[in-house]
Amino acid sequence: GQQLNQSPQSMFIQEGEDVSMNCTSSSIFNTWLWYKQDPGEGPVLLIALYKAGELTSNGRLTAQFGITRKDSFLNISASIPSDVGIYFCAGRDPYYTDKLIFGTGTRLQVFP
Amino acid sequence: NAGVMQNPRHLVRRRGQEARLRCSPMKGHSHVYWYRQLPEEGLKFMVYLQKENIIDESGMPKERFSAEFPKEGPSILRIQQVVRGDSAAYFCASSPRLRSSYEQYFGPGTRLTVT
Repeated sequence: GQQLNQSPQSMFIQEGEDVSMNCTSSSIFNTWLWYKQDPGEGPVLLIALYKAGELTSNGRLTAQFGITRKDSFLNISASIPSDVGIYFCAGRDPYYTDKLIFGTGTRLQVFP
Repeated sequence: NAGVMQNPRHLVRRRGQEARLRCSPMKGHSHVYWYRQLPEEGLKFMVYLQKENIIDESGMPKERFSAEFPKEGPSILRIQQVVRGDSAAYFCASSPRLRSSYEQYFGPGTRLTVT
């Protein structure tokens, strides 16, 4: 079945640093979504991407839909302590239904 | 403007009992998705429903699991004769599924513990 690999698996950074993470797939997607999940909570939608090559920002977050449609990238600039959490990429199944295929997650820790 | 609501937030069941998980989508959303998350893993799709219809249940185990989204009321995920392996967080998401938007918005989840 389809799989999404995220890297890095975890990151430990200092407050103020920039963060980059990516997501790769063995097959193409028509939509990429990035979510953040805090412990004990549901995923919160950060950014949605609909077109290959698209670059979209949401505050300090910027995400890109890869040209090959098999990857996506998320950058966080000037990290702050509340950025701590697990970041998931998700690709929308392009065939028939809209189920999301989730990545393995990147755990982010921010130290003051 | 309430988000997706799920209840209960925590559910403890003994092996062999039934678990019923409820999900009320966001106002105006008629598409509901259920996902399961094991500790330290990503979410795995289970089932996609519209009002009174199951659209895709390819991720749902063939036995003991069922889902519905009636014309009135919340969507229900039902697990019969629970086993320890059913312990997980179950998340519901809703979407307006407009032509330009395939965004799914998640509820806080129900954490099921089977003892």
